[in-house]
Amino acid sequence: DGGITQSPKYLFRKEGQNVTLSCEQNLNHDAMYWYRQDPGQGLRLIYYSQIVNDFQKGDIAEGYSVSREKKESFPLTVTSAQKNPTAFYLCASGLTGTEYFGPGTRLTVT
Amino acid sequence: AQSVTQPDIHITVSEGASLELRCNYSYGATPYLFWYVQSPGQGLQLLLKYFSGDTLVQGIKGFEAEFKRSQSSFNLRKPSVHWSDAAEYFCAVGPFGNEKLTFGTGTRLTIIP
Repeated sequence: DGGITQSPKYLFRKEGQNVTLSCEQNLNHDAMYWYRQDPGQGLRLIYYSQIVNDFQKGDIAEGYSVSREKKESFPLTVTSAQKNPTAFYLCASGLTGTEYFGPGTRLTVT
Repeated sequence: AQSVTQPDIHITVSEGASLELRCNYSYGATPYLFWYVQSPGQGLQLLLKYFSGDTLVQGIKGFEAEFKRSQSSFNLRKPSVHWSDAAEYFCAVGPFGNEKLTFGTGTRLTIIP
């Protein structure tokens, strides 16, 4: 079955530590995205990539970094510079827009 | 700048009743419009999308949406809701071929017996 996987589902980290969230897709999509979701808010775009070895900042890229070394993978690193990292993180991919979402990773930083 | 407004934060509907969720957008060119559904703690699932053609779009799970350019609206409808439709619904807008979608803040749908 084709789809998007995100791991882990829950992640706990201490303040000051970097953490990397995994996103893998086997849909053969060129475009992949990372969104952040906070309670009562819509999704906000962190980074997106339209092709391997290329990515663009979204609306809230500060404190985050990404890489796109393979078409199937688009990992997101939440750095210690991110002021409020606790959130639900969603990865997505698509051919013509954001069409498929992964199940999400809930990150809690204390 | 593009924006999306979902004016209803929470809607409660009786099972079997009809549903309409409102979405208004602001966009300078021809918009690419989406509706997604999210169950608690899960990712989003695409219900339907519109770019051009027939302004009434059919989606999955019996949902449909109508694009009204004059009203800058893209409301989601279902003639008869089921208990399993209880979830949060998000409207989004963006340009075709560009992945920078703007999402609304969502409408939480509760279904009562």
